[in-house]
Amino acid sequence: KAGVTQTPRYLIKTRGQQVTLSCSPISGHRSVSWYQQTPGQGLQFLFEYFSETQRNKGNFPGRFSGRQFSNSRSEMNVSTLELGDSALYLCASSLEGGTLYEQYFGPGTRLTVT
Amino acid sequence: QKEVEQNSGPLSVPEGAIASLNCTYSDRVSQSFFWYRQYSGKSPELIMSIYSNGDKEDGRFTAQLNKASQYVSLLIRDSQPSDSATYLCAVSPGSGANSKLTFGKGITLSVRP
Repeated sequence: KAGVTQTPRYLIKTRGQQVTLSCSPISGHRSVSWYQQTPGQGLQFLFEYFSETQRNKGNFPGRFSGRQFSNSRSEMNVSTLELGDSALYLCASSLEGGTLYEQYFGPGTRLTVT
Repeated sequence: QKEVEQNSGPLSVPEGAIASLNCTYSDRVSQSFFWYRQYSGKSPELIMSIYSNGDKEDGRFTAQLNKASQYVSLLIRDSQPSDSATYLCAVSPGSGANSKLTFGKGITLSVRP
């Protein structure tokens, strides 16, 4: 079974621009969560989508948004990029979400903001 | 602020030794506990999950959970150089459909040949 895929793998953007990242979950998985990983803050939860609805949200500004499509694929958007948004963005999928379901990560998108 | 703390590293062990990685969490309602391994430049890989008090063994890995003391640990027996990586402890709360994972900062393990 194919794993979680993310595109693009690498991205370089300029401050003030916006960016859209894509995530395709493992087949049959309906929950997609997004995380930001930086050396200083570690892995931090952005939001989770289940059945096209945002079910949970972390403590990030409104510039960070996402959506999920009917085939469970998800996109994350960051508007008005700042230098501090440079990070590895990871998505993870699980069967149903909820406390008992394991999350599996994709390879990530490395975003550099200059 | 719900926190997950991992004992300070880095941790260095000789090949063949037992590596012991510890993690404490602050949210008493947490129900699900995971260990992820992350090689440099790669994404986290799930290696163990544990939901009940006690031990859970999978090959050379044993996860231990003590909810009363709010700690979870990972033991790696017969450590191999290929085990050298950062190990992340993750905790999920037990309310409804909240699948948010809170991660510790990780501990870097180095296995010396």
